[in-house]
Amino acid sequence: EVELVESGGGLVQPGESLRLSCVASGLTFSSYAMRWVRQTPEKGLEWVSGINARGNSSQYTDSVKGRFTVSRDNSKNTLFLQMNSLRVEDTAVYYCANQKTYYDVLTGSYKGSPFYFIDVWGKGTTVTVS
Amino acid sequence: QSVLTQPSSVSGAPGQRVTISCTGSSSNIGAGYDVHWYQFPPGRPPKLLIYGNDNRPSGVPDRFSGSKSGTSASLAITGLQAEDEADYYCQSYDSTLTESTYVFGTGTKVTVL
Repeated sequence: EVELVESGGGLVQPGESLRLSCVASGLTFSSYAMRWVRQTPEKGLEWVSGINARGNSSQYTDSVKGRFTVSRDNSKNTLFLQMNSLRVEDTAVYYCANQKTYYDVLTGSYKGSPFYFIDVWGKGTTVTVS
Repeated sequence: QSVLTQPSSVSGAPGQRVTISCTGSSSNIGAGYDVHWYQFPPGRPPKLLIYGNDNRPSGVPDRFSGSKSGTSASLAITGLQAEDEADYYCQSYDSTLTESTYVFGTGTKVTVL
């Protein structure tokens, strides 16, 4: 069974740091690009960050650029999110998720990054900044 | 902040058909980007229901179907079952002159009466 398990959430004060981890099992972790997605009652679901399979390319939503860093250790099937200078508005449930594409029979090729979807989600870990 | 709009709630009796709309714009769904659908069941991890507008992953019952037209998409659930009670979200990609990012819908709570 494919499973993603997040950990590292908690209660911190504004300006402090947290490091989230996500351990993957049941899938070839090193073959997948991965994402962090967060959810709040006020803003709903928001893509936070992504990293490619090899770990040498990452992306961030504007609101976390310069404060959050995504990384991965493929030898340990683990994804990380280092969150620094945390703000009240970073309070959310953070989900770890893999990223997948699919083969388009009409074009005879795999779909590019704008067409990626999430195949597997973790249960989430709660971060509270207050 | 969500750029994709969904009804906040829909409900139906067991066995009925319900549909959930996902309304976007010319910078996302209308630009030709795919729509994907996810189920957020209470107490369990979210689950992929539909990818690429109308493709069902293996293991997802054929009671779930997706469609897309213009700047909107829809998820239909036929033969509604108690286990379908959950929150549902659409997702696409939004690209403007200033930013390109993955975007989600506002979410719809499905209640089985």
